[in-house]
Amino acid sequence: GNSVTQMEGPVTLSEEAFLTINCTYTATGYPSLFWYVQYPGEGLQLLLKATKADDKGSNKGFEATYRKETTSFHLEKGSVQVSDSAVYFCALSAIQGAQKLVFGQGTRLTINP
Amino acid sequence: GAVVSQHPSRVICKSGTSVKIECRSLDFQATTMFWYRQFPKQSLMLMATSNEGSKATYEQGVEKDKFLINHASLTLSTLTVTSAHPEDSSFYICSASGTQLLLMGGYTFGSGTRLTVV
Repeated sequence: GNSVTQMEGPVTLSEEAFLTINCTYTATGYPSLFWYVQYPGEGLQLLLKATKADDKGSNKGFEATYRKETTSFHLEKGSVQVSDSAVYFCALSAIQGAQKLVFGQGTRLTINP
Repeated sequence: GAVVSQHPSRVICKSGTSVKIECRSLDFQATTMFWYRQFPKQSLMLMATSNEGSKATYEQGVEKDKFLINHASLTLSTLTVTSAHPEDSSFYICSASGTQLLLMGGYTFGSGTRLTVV
């Protein structure tokens, strides 16, 4: 079956540090890949997505590239801010039909000023 | 953009009572709704998938008689937690998808409902 494995947290960084949160997946076919962010007490918000190999999703300074050869979709940001503190979820879905999202376990990120 | 409204955001109920959570798509037709449960500091666990006008499909281990899901229209799905007990306390999140959203490869989430059973 499909699965997503995320780098275990929590992750604590200083402001302006470089961020990488690793995500690898197992899936049949060609899934779509997503990063979602969850701020305290809130639901999930789509951060970025990629729907085919070598696509790069980007938003708010975050980037992730769909790497089929390594089955990875690592999240990166060059300079984090305190406001980026949240829980980040990597997820995948089958590309066809209204398929459920399969989530990684989530990575809690804390940015200190 | 696609917006999903989920209510209530927080609810406290007594053991043995039932609680209904609503999830509405405001500007698109949600042909499929997903209901997730999230335990503290854990990932989202899919409870069930519902298609408009059809019975929900529950994931293994989810009690369908306890978690009643109704998806009677293209803009509304409800989750009713029946005879709630303290172990049902959790964060429940809905997610919706429709034809246009699927073409864009996306799903829209509600803001979640924090249920506390006392």
